[in-house]
Amino acid sequence: KNEVEQSPQNLTAQEGEFITINCSYSVGISALHWLQQHPGGGIVSLFMLSSGKKKHGRLIATINIQEKHSSLHITASHPRDSAVYICAVRSSYNLIQGAQKLVFGQGTRLTINP
Amino acid sequence: NAGVTQTPKFQVLKTGQSMTLQCAQDMNHNSMYWYRQDPGMGLRLIYYSASEGTTDKGEVPNGYNVSRLNKREFSLRLESAAPSQTSVYFCASSRKPGEKLFFGSGTQLSVL
Repeated sequence: KNEVEQSPQNLTAQEGEFITINCSYSVGISALHWLQQHPGGGIVSLFMLSSGKKKHGRLIATINIQEKHSSLHITASHPRDSAVYICAVRSSYNLIQGAQKLVFGQGTRLTINP
Repeated sequence: NAGVTQTPKFQVLKTGQSMTLQCAQDMNHNSMYWYRQDPGMGLRLIYYSASEGTTDKGEVPNGYNVSRLNKREFSLRLESAAPSQTSVYFCASSRKPGEKLFFGSGTQLSVL
């Protein structure tokens, strides 16, 4: 079992729909990242959070440390939101020479149709 | 406002050839990383440099070497390329280890 599991793997929706992408992890963490990878391949960091909720524009990220679960929500989705969304956790326990290791999920491919 | 600049964008090598991937950041970040991305595998850390003057192995360092030339630049070298090194490579940086990552645009490498 992977340390970081994302669901769904693929998601297709219509413009305007509310989108939820889930991330579950099995290790103790100190922080969780949400990244966006555009169709052209570039990767952008969306959020880094260790508790509660963060919001940026139409994007909302939540984390429940006790349940080891995070969600990324997109409100009023738009075709330009089409991308791969990647969850990554910063492990509390797996240190690489003092720099905590990031463990990446395999990503959720989101397609928003007009 | 360049951020992280990575070159080249595409490269085709023959087995056994060598090459260096270049990465530079202009954000005065202390930490720099090299990742590879393979289908179905997620991003995996090859090497990282927590601060200028230090480099350390990540999850998949075999077949690679790195140089932190100065605070701005962090290069990845393949001494003798193998088909298993066909991948997309990303350089990234952060202000400190574990903080928000800023990625380069990636290098698509094919080893024939």
